[in-house]
Amino acid sequence: EAGVAQSPRYKIIEKRQSVAFWCNPISGHATLYWYQQILGQGPKLLIQFQNNGVVDDSQLPKDRFSAERLKGVDSTLKIQPAKLEDSAVYLCASSGARRADTQYFGPGTRLTVL
Amino acid sequence: QKEVEQNSGPLSVPEGAIASLNCTYSDRGSQSFFWYRQYSGKSPELIMFIYSNGDKEDGRFTAQLNKASQYVSLLIRDSQPSDSATYLCAVNMNTGFQKLVFGTGTRLLVSP
Repeated sequence: EAGVAQSPRYKIIEKRQSVAFWCNPISGHATLYWYQQILGQGPKLLIQFQNNGVVDDSQLPKDRFSAERLKGVDSTLKIQPAKLEDSAVYLCASSGARRADTQYFGPGTRLTVL
Repeated sequence: QKEVEQNSGPLSVPEGAIASLNCTYSDRGSQSFFWYRQYSGKSPELIMFIYSNGDKEDGRFTAQLNKASQYVSLLIRDSQPSDSATYLCAVNMNTGFQKLVFGTGTRLLVSP
């Protein structure tokens, strides 16, 4: 069974530019999560989807971050415009119906904002 | 008070010793608890989960849960240098949907 896929793996941009990250969850997993992990901290949930609906986006900075999961499978997270403090690893995770509380992570995208 | 607290470490143990990693949480209604291992530059990898009070063993790993005291711990027996990593405690908060809150992680260093 293939794991969670993410791209790109690394991205370097200048502040005020925009960037997008892509995630494809484990096949059949209805729930998809985006996390932000700043160096030295634990992952922080940005947004959670159940199929193509948003379950929780309470910690998503909506003035600059957006995310969508149009067909209930893969998802895109966008930052526009980026700030220096957005430098972090962006992790995508998914969970399935069989063990809905057990999340599996993709390799992450390391974003550096200069 | 943070929702999930861990000592950031580093916790240093010699090879072959038992490493004990601890985590406390604030929400008494939390139902499930997870330990993830994260190597430097890699993403978190699930190593154990526990739902019920007591111990749960999987190979060299034992998770312990005490809901009354609101703590969960991870014991690693016969520690190996390859166990050197950051261990993240995650708690499924009682929010009505599956939301994990992570601690900051404890860095474990196992010396040969």
